[in-house]
Amino acid sequence: DVVLTQSPLSLPVTLGQPASISCRSSHSLGNTYLNWFQQRPGQSPRRLIYKVSNRDSGVPDRFSGSGSGTDFTLNISRVEAEDVALYYCMQGADWPYTFGQGTSLEIK
Amino acid sequence: EVQLVESGGGLVQPGMSLRLCCAVFGGMSRDRAMHWVRQTAGKGLEWVSGIYWDSSRIGYADSVRGRFTTSRDNAKNSLYLQMDSLRPEDTAIYYCVEDGSSGEADVWGQGTTVTVSS
Repeated sequence: DVVLTQSPLSLPVTLGQPASISCRSSHSLGNTYLNWFQQRPGQSPRRLIYKVSNRDSGVPDRFSGSGSGTDFTLNISRVEAEDVALYYCMQGADWPYTFGQGTSLEIK
Repeated sequence: EVQLVESGGGLVQPGMSLRLCCAVFGGMSRDRAMHWVRQTAGKGLEWVSGIYWDSSRIGYADSVRGRFTTSRDNAKNSLYLQMDSLRPEDTAIYYCVEDGSSGEADVWGQGTTVTVSS
């Protein structure tokens, strides 16, 4: 199975400052099968980014995804209070889909 | 817009069974796989099972293979997860998830909670 390793697992950020989350894969995912999800407290996960760098409908443009192969990054250009959440990467190259451990973003 | 609504969760004793249902509102999309994903406090998100539109492929995580059975009824716009021989480690929120035209895991339900405890 593909193992995804996220870092950091906890990310304290000052409002208005940028944030970055890394996701490393044990196998190459090319430039297609990596997705990012946001899970706010008490809610279901919501997909933010698909196929590495494409924002889903309604996702603010301060969120961006990049990377290829085994190294991927989710960037938030200016963190807002509503961005407090868990963030997960997920590979969809084949079953079983696998997820990173999750990164908890909090406001300093 | 597709909406997924899970039901059937509850509290059961170890060794018992439960059947989860996911109702799809907005129509089941052709050629889209659907999945069950669970979330526990300690282990995060875990893919449990997936099924193709025409049920030609059904897959399971190693942790549930032989105990869980996934099926779908496209005429009833429904996805099912039959869970037998439940264990305490199956305690989780179970989400119904649909792949979209844009890629994997596009739409998620609100989840249903399964608790396995004596």
